[in-house]
Amino acid sequence: AQTVTQSQPEMSVQEAETVTLSCTYDTSENNYYLFWYKQPPSRQMILVIRQEAYKQQNATENRFSVNFQKAAKSFSLKISDSQLGDTAMYFCAFMKHPLNTGTASKLTFGTGTRLQVML
Amino acid sequence: NAGVMQNPRHLVRRRGQEARLRCSPMKGHSHVYWYRQLPEEGLKFMVYLQKENIIDESGMPKERFSAEFPKEGPSILRIQQVVRGDSAAYFCASSPPLTGTQYFGPGTRLLVL
Repeated sequence: AQTVTQSQPEMSVQEAETVTLSCTYDTSENNYYLFWYKQPPSRQMILVIRQEAYKQQNATENRFSVNFQKAAKSFSLKISDSQLGDTAMYFCAFMKHPLNTGTASKLTFGTGTRLQVML
Repeated sequence: NAGVMQNPRHLVRRRGQEARLRCSPMKGHSHVYWYRQLPEEGLKFMVYLQKENIIDESGMPKERFSAEFPKEGPSILRIQQVVRGDSAAYFCASSPPLTGTQYFGPGTRLLVL
């Protein structure tokens, strides 16, 4: 079974600064997806970024980027130029690759990191 | 393209009543997933369905919970004889066939009195 660990329950950052959220995972799979989802106070789950394990290049989406270390099973999220609207819970998630299973698969989530962006 | 729709957004039930939660996937998505989020916790997988088929129900409690995704209409998560411990946010997600990305609905907040 897969496990996802987020060891930082809470973090804070000043507006316009950079912050990095940590995530580690455990799996015996070789090919899989990793995700970061954001849950603002509205409680909506919003996809932030996705990484495919067989791609060595780290994914980026505007101010969001990841540091994917496959051998270390580490998948951290870096938020640059933090904005007040980035205040939210951030969840790291793992999914087996559909090509491995022949169909889609469930997401396994970490327990989340609560990020507060301050003025 | 409308996103994943869930209704109702809020549902209040008394202990022993039934709760029915509905989810309409995004257009073109044939895969539906249900997750539960207890207060101050992460999301936990419950069940994964395709049209008329349950693919994975490994996270579903054995009793009182059932799910369906009929050929026509939304997916339904049904909780019979609700108890206070069922109070949670229930999220539905959908995805196209054979892609990794799941898109979430706004959730249904169930409160059991």
